[in-house]
Amino acid sequence: GAGVSQTPSNKVTEKGKYVELRCDPISGHTALYWYRQSLGQGPEFLIYFQGTGAADDSGLPNDRFFAVRPEGSVSTLKIQRTERGDSAVYLCASSFSGAQYEQFFGPGTRLTVL
Amino acid sequence: GQNIDQPTEMTATEGAIVQINCTYQTSGFNGLFWYQQHAGEAPTFLSYNVLDGLEEKGRFSSFLSRSKGYSYLLLKELQMKDSASYLCAVREGTGRRALTFGSGTRLQVQP
Repeated sequence: GAGVSQTPSNKVTEKGKYVELRCDPISGHTALYWYRQSLGQGPEFLIYFQGTGAADDSGLPNDRFFAVRPEGSVSTLKIQRTERGDSAVYLCASSFSGAQYEQFFGPGTRLTVL
Repeated sequence: GQNIDQPTEMTATEGAIVQINCTYQTSGFNGLFWYQQHAGEAPTFLSYNVLDGLEEKGRFSSFLSRSKGYSYLLLKELQMKDSASYLCAVREGTGRRALTFGSGTRLQVQP
């Protein structure tokens, strides 16, 4: 079956602009996660949704970052007033809701802020 | 918070066995995961340990000691395609789902 999909695969923007990154999880997965990964580092947790609600947003670095999942499926990560330090690969993952289930990652969106 | 340590790079020979270690410090352990990540690709799940002991899955095995804050990933009969980064990730706290990842171990398999 289809895996986690993310669009766009690459996004280049200018400092100060607004960007939206989309994630389409595996069908039937109620849990959805956003991470970001810088070169040579492991993924860094941003936010976790259970259904439509953000169950844990403790990883969002500041109020420029916001994410939604209005119908409990597709999610959008929104970044306002982008900064060069926001450049990274943004990874989305999904899973079933139990703690024992692994997270399946999408291919990521490479964001470059010039 | 959590501190996760794993070696930055390792090199091994095709057909051999390699062990990748991971140590962690956490205030409330709730599971450890290993992921494989090829360059430019998404991490893919390898194993999950929540109780002490060894979990075996084909050529890959993972071990956990909660009292020592220690895990290892064992790869047997190495193949060239095993060249990748191996990420150790810990989940902290009951009810939390977020994973905290180490920086990864880049494994190079040589002929």
